[in-house]
Amino acid sequence: DAGITQSPRHKVTETGTPVTLRCHQTENHRYMYWYRQDPGHGLRLIHYSYGVKDTDKGEVSDGYSVSRSKTEDFLLTLESATSSQTSVYFCAIKGTSGGAEQYFGPGTRLTVT
Amino acid sequence: GESVGLHLPTLSVQEGDNSIINCAYSNSASDYFIWYKQESGKGPQFIIDIRSNMDKRQGQRVTVLLNKTVKHLSLQIAATQPGDSAVYFCAENAPAFGNEKLTFGTGTRLTIIP
Repeated sequence: DAGITQSPRHKVTETGTPVTLRCHQTENHRYMYWYRQDPGHGLRLIHYSYGVKDTDKGEVSDGYSVSRSKTEDFLLTLESATSSQTSVYFCAIKGTSGGAEQYFGPGTRLTVT
Repeated sequence: GESVGLHLPTLSVQEGDNSIINCAYSNSASDYFIWYKQESGKGPQFIIDIRSNMDKRQGQRVTVLLNKTVKHLSLQIAATQPGDSAVYFCAENAPAFGNEKLTFGTGTRLTIIP
């Protein structure tokens, strides 16, 4: 599991409420990623980080923000959750082999009612 | 399974037989490819990767074949077992992204028939 944990694993929230998902890694990886996974789509990149306080947008970043104040933690925030953000969210880290491989956490299932 | 595609291509294979899962990738400039396995309720799991300067790579019970001419990638699983039942998808990396980003396919659901 590449030492990645995500919390919470499941969450139900109401439209308009803020939500923060946490990704924690124990192996000092520089790159961390947030994806969402929805039926009919491949994994889609929301935001990623290439170091502490260094982040960049992915293809579906609208409505999401991220922060990385420590190497081990990468937070994804939905400032005002909408039903379209109901999804399964995965965190990933980039491996250290020199390739582009990524290793994923167990996921967080978020339902916005 | 959880949110891994309600209408995925499916492949059913008898236990013990070999399976071949295919992927058509989109970017002719992509130089690195990965196969992932995702079991129900779990995160994607790295299986095997291949660089564009290779056309074949073997792992334990798995072989990946790359045909750059037609932008096609395949994953062969030998002597399938019940634990191989999962969704399999490919990912590609394009040089424009350095090694920083991957683009993912939607996947194929493999079911092993006992």
